[in-house]
Amino acid sequence: EIVLTQSPATLSVSPGERATLSCRASQSFFNNLAWYQQRPGQAPRLLIYNVFGRATGVPARFSGSGSGTEFTLTIDSLQSEDFAVYYCHQYDSWPPAPTFGGGTRVEIK
Amino acid sequence: EVQLVQSGVEVKKPGESLKISCKASGYNFSFYWLNWVRQMPGQGLEWMGKIDPNDSDARYSPAFQGHVTFSVDKSTSTAYLQWTSLKASDTATYYCARPGIEGEDAFDLWGQGTMVVVSS
Repeated sequence: EIVLTQSPATLSVSPGERATLSCRASQSFFNNLAWYQQRPGQAPRLLIYNVFGRATGVPARFSGSGSGTEFTLTIDSLQSEDFAVYYCHQYDSWPPAPTFGGGTRVEIK
Repeated sequence: EVQLVQSGVEVKKPGESLKISCKASGYNFSFYWLNWVRQMPGQGLEWMGKIDPNDSDARYSPAFQGHVTFSVDKSTSTAYLQWTSLKASDTATYYCARPGIEGEDAFDLWGQGTMVVVSS
């Protein structure tokens, strides 16, 4: 299976600053990568699909980039509602099974 | 409204059986595979597998193969996740999720989650 490693595990950021989250894959795949936000007690919410695509209703301050084995989620000018856990997700063709990264918690500095 | 609504909290004993549900509304249930995702307490997301509501073709992650069963009832647009013998390690929140963006398998629609507690 493709293992996704997210870093850092926790990111402390002040409101208004930029957050950069990393997702590294154990093997290369073509663009089938998504990012989700999960707030406490809530289901995950799709932010980014196909590395770059922004899901409906997602603010423009969220952007995705990368290719091959290195992917990044950038959140510009963090707002209070952005403090949450973020997961990357690869959904390359079956097999292998889709997998999620371990998550990055973005907390208030 | 397009949504997935899951059944409520379950508290069970080890060895008991359980079937939880995920009811779809607002879209054609047969058009999209329905996925199941586990989240153990304080942990990350794990993909369990998926089922095609159209013909009940199911794909299981190797980690869950043989321990859970997926099924659907097209007449009620409901998907099910079933255990025949629960273990304490099955304690988790279980989400159903649907990929709805054309050509993409990212999950743009999620149920609210069903918390399952297995304890003696």
